[in-house]
Order: sequence, then structure tokens, then C-alpha cells
Amino acid sequence: EAQVTQNPRYLITVTGKKLTVTCSQNMNHEYMSWYRQDPGLGLRQIYYSMNVEVTDKGDVPEGYKVSRKEKRNFPLILESPSPNQTSLYFCASSTTVSNQPQHFGDGTRLSIL
Amino acid sequence: AQTVTQSQPEMSVQEAETVTLSCTYDTSENNYYLFWYKQPPSRQMILVIRQEAYKQQNATENRFSVNFQKAAKSFSLKISDSQLGDTAMYFCAFTYYFGNEKLTFGTGTRLTIIP
Repeated sequence: EAQVTQNPRYLITVTGKKLTVTCSQNMNHEYMSWYRQDPGLGLRQIYYSMNVEVTDKGDVPEGYKVSRKEKRNFPLILESPSPNQTSLYFCASSTTVSNQPQHFGDGTRLSIL
Repeated sequence: AQTVTQSQPEMSVQEAETVTLSCTYDTSENNYYLFWYKQPPSRQMILVIRQEAYKQQNATENRFSVNFQKAAKSFSLKISDSQLGDTAMYFCAFTYYFGNEKLTFGTGTRLTIIP
């Protein structure tokens, strides 16, 4: 089954404690992206990757890091989380061969205390 | 930069009725895609319908259809014979035909179907 898998689904942690949200897709997609969803703001892109070792900032990259060492994985790293990063996070992937809709993961609810 | 505006934060409608959700966007490009995504309480992002800007014909998917007005930069979603399972947050989204495939989302409309 084609899917984008995010882990964890929920996480409550404290300010300053490094955390990683993993994202993996099994569709051999070149393009992967992270979004955060906040009430009244919709979804906003954090970082994206066009392929292995190619990453770039989206609209709200401050406080986040990503890496793309393998095609299937695109982890989101919060080196020193702060309460304003409390949000719902989505990973998405798609092929760049044609403009096909992005496949979304099921979301990760992060709470930073 | 492109923007997407959904001016109705919340809507409600009786079951079996028809409801229309509004979306406007702003872009200087001629080629692009528009989408409506549904987000039920389970939080999943489910693609409801898509529209290619170069196509004049409005897209339809069963009970869901769009009214795409390119000159007016308007992209509304019509849900016919609404069902309880249609209760969800609905997001309008935009992406360029070519490019990095970033999706720009509106702020969402929370739709409640009343039994």
C-alpha cells in the first residue's frame, strides 16, 4: 500500500529537548515536504526536498532542520524546541515527473511545554 | 507570491442539502493547479478534487464539483446531497504547474453537517 508514514503521532516534550519526527514514503517519490498546521493559518511549508541531498527552506523554516540522505526518508529535526513550535505537522511526498497530487502522512501532534 | 483566501471560517448545513465553500487566490502565473482537501477529525488530509488551470471544464467527483472562474481567480467547492461524513475542515490549495510543487493553503472552512 502506497503511504507516507510519520512517527510519532503524538509527542509532548519540554523546551530545549531535541526531537526528531520521522517521515518515510514507499512510493519512490522524489519530492518530499514538511508542513505545519496552526488554527487560523492553514498549512504552511517548513522545508522541502527535490531529491536526495537537495533540501531548501519553505515559508517558515526558523527553528527546524531537515536531511535527505535516502530517497524514502525525510526527518524533521527540532534542535531546541520552543512552545511556539507546538503544532500539527504533516509530511508529504509526490513525484516530480508530472504534477501529481501530494500524498500526506497522518500528521504528528507536537506539544512543547 | 501566491495567496489563497477562504473567507468562511465556519459553515453548517442540514443533511442532504447543498453547500458551497468559497476560495479565491492570487497569482500572476497562467499555469497552475487548484485543490480542495478535506480534513476530518482523524486529521488526515484527503484530496477531494483538483482542477488544472488550463482546463475550462469544471472538475467533478461524484457529489463534489467546483466552479472555477479563472479570470475572477475564484475556485468554489459545491457539495451536493451533503452527508454526515462530510463534516470536516476543508482547505483550498494552490500549486504551480511546474516548479517545486509547494502547496499554498487557505486558512480553511470548518463544515458541519447537521442531522
